[in-house]
Amino acid sequence: GESVGLHLPTLSVQEGDNSIINCAYSNSASDYFIWYKQESGKGPQFIIDIRSNMDKRQGQRVTVLLNKTVKHLSLQIAATQPGDSAVYFCAEKRGNEKLTFGTGTRLTIIP
Amino acid sequence: SAVISQKPSRDICQRGTSLTIQCQVDSQVTMMFWYRQQPGQSLTLIATANQGSEATYESGFVIDKFPISRPNLTFSTLTVSNMSPEDSSIYLCSVDGGRLDEQYFGPGTRLTVT
Repeated sequence: GESVGLHLPTLSVQEGDNSIINCAYSNSASDYFIWYKQESGKGPQFIIDIRSNMDKRQGQRVTVLLNKTVKHLSLQIAATQPGDSAVYFCAEKRGNEKLTFGTGTRLTIIP
Repeated sequence: SAVISQKPSRDICQRGTSLTIQCQVDSQVTMMFWYRQQPGQSLTLIATANQGSEATYESGFVIDKFPISRPNLTFSTLTVSNMSPEDSSIYLCSVDGGRLDEQYFGPGTRLTVT
């Protein structure tokens, strides 16, 4: 469904630690999921995607986990760096339907 | 991934006026999308623009308020008409990646209506 809310969930992580950002999606029929990173003053940047026939996908320092049973998506960032500070959005879609965005989580890396 | 540019990057406009936002892509793309992101919130799709056809608007958005042009496969414009302070938002252009379902975003246009 549509994301709502004026207050973004926040997560603070010490530099060098791993971070996990969670997302609950709404449509059990969704078959494609994307994580985006949005830095202040910029547009969302594609990070990693995953299809519903997978439960894990790895990129460079990032891993996305998909649990279809509970409709949960997570983004793990290893060895966080100051440049990882941003708002992270998950997005879902079904077939050719529109991409629907989650609320977003603000990640702050503490030096 | 496609390289997307938007003009203007930001603007301050008076209520009742209109602003046209341009989106340019460095490669031909089938689908272009326009989103609105209100302060501190997530992204909401305004409309989908395919070349050679009328844009498809999402619920709550109408062509009279947000007319869209898509004259070719690398360019689109979104006009925000008869603006009010409630239209103050970031407006984002997005394109399909041409591979799988990837979708990429431009840098956005930050609009403030006074």
